Amino acid sequence: GQSLEQPSEVTAVEGAIVQINCTYQTSGFYGLSWYQQHDGGAPTFLSYNALDGLEETGRFSSFLSRSDSYGYLLLQELQMKDSASYFCAVRDDDYKLSFGAGTTVTVRA
Amino acid sequence: NAGVTQTPKFQVLKTGQSMTLQCAQDMNHEYMSWYRQDPGMGLRLIHYSVGAGITDQGEVPNGYNVSRSTTEDFPLRLLSAAPSQTSVYFCASSLRGREEKLFFGSGTQLSVL
Repeated sequence: GQSLEQPSEVTAVEGAIVQINCTYQTSGFYGLSWYQQHDGGAPTFLSYNALDGLEETGRFSSFLSRSDSYGYLLLQELQMKDSASYFCAVRDDDYKLSFGAGTTVTVRA
Repeated sequence: NAGVTQTPKFQVLKTGQSMTLQCAQDMNHEYMSWYRQDPGMGLRLIHYSVGAGITDQGEVPNGYNVSRSTTEDFPLRLLSAAPSQTSVYFCASSLRGREEKLFFGSGTQLSVL
């Protein structure tokens, strides 16, 4: 089976940088994904890393180290609208995408 | 473009009642799945389908049935609801299996009394 660990909560001020770490244990591995979910809403896809290194999409970046079974999501220039829950997810050898428990990010003015 | 549509948005059941949560997508996606979300536990996979006529179990399948008679629809059936099934249910789809980008419906808040 799969096991994903990420912090439960992070609080930061507007304009700051937040890093959300995710460590995983899986029987197989295709890549690490990140999803954002605002309170009461549906999860939406943010990014995907299949290979080691950094992927940048605007203010958000995602990093993967396969040898360390570790990745992170970096949120830069934090805005109030970034207050949400963020989930890492991994796919093993078949069609099952498993999610971490989520990190609640609170942005303060 | 509707994307993934779930109905109903809210539902209250009594223990032992049955019901079907509906999910439809208009993107011609092969892969569809059902997740439940409980506080502090993230999203857990219930059942999934890689195409019409093909379904398989996820992490927490007990108490739920699915079928996939068309590419567009993937209903989730609760045969005899239990309080432990109180949760938020999300349907999700992707173009193919093993796609990392899932498109989620808006969710169904289910309470079983």
